[in-house]
Amino acid sequence: EVQLVQSGPEVKKPGDSLKISCQTSGYTFTNNWINWVRQLPGQGLEWMGSFDPRDSSTYYSPSFQGHVTLSVDRSINTAYLQWNSLKASDTAIYYCARRGQKTSFFSFWGQGTLVTVSS
Amino acid sequence: EIVLTQSPATLSLSPGERAALSCRASQSVNIYLAWYQQKPGQAPSLLIYDSSTRASGVPARFSGSGSGTDFTLTISSLEPEDFAVYYCQQRSDRPLTFGQGTRLEIK
Repeated sequence: EVQLVQSGPEVKKPGDSLKISCQTSGYTFTNNWINWVRQLPGQGLEWMGSFDPRDSSTYYSPSFQGHVTLSVDRSINTAYLQWNSLKASDTAIYYCARRGQKTSFFSFWGQGTLVTVSS
Repeated sequence: EIVLTQSPATLSLSPGERAALSCRASQSVNIYLAWYQQKPGQAPSLLIYDSSTRASGVPARFSGSGSGTDFTLTISSLEPEDFAVYYCQQRSDRPLTFGQGTRLEIK
């Protein structure tokens, strides 16, 4: 069974750094890109970018380029989303997601990580 | 960037009624459009992909249609568990984009 399990909620201050995780299981980690999606409070979904664990190819949405970094640790089948300097506007739920077996759309999702940035 | 515009923003219907949700793309996405359902406190769930293919386990009352720029998600007879927010998403071009969502509420 494919599972994406994300790290727990975070409360940070503006300017702090943060790395949240998405631990995967049930499939060969290097066979599928990992995507990250943001959901601002009470708002819709925004694709942030995707990362290929096989060769570290990365695509960032222009809206997030330069503000976040995607990475993985192949030894523990885990993907990461990282900020060097958080802003209050980064307060949101962040989801990792993966394509399905029959489609490139997101069939598998993590449960989401709530990040709260407040002074 | 391909902009997806969903309408209406909110749809108020009763159980048993038929729902039709619209998603319009700012340029052609061929058939590379999906629909997701999101319930409060949950991650989105894939319903329809490639415009009209139901994802595994999705009830037959959900159907999708369209190509190019105009797409529709139809729920033939609403069940109580169908009241949620629905998003369309395109994968024709990067950046991948979502519509702003349609909230389906009980009348």
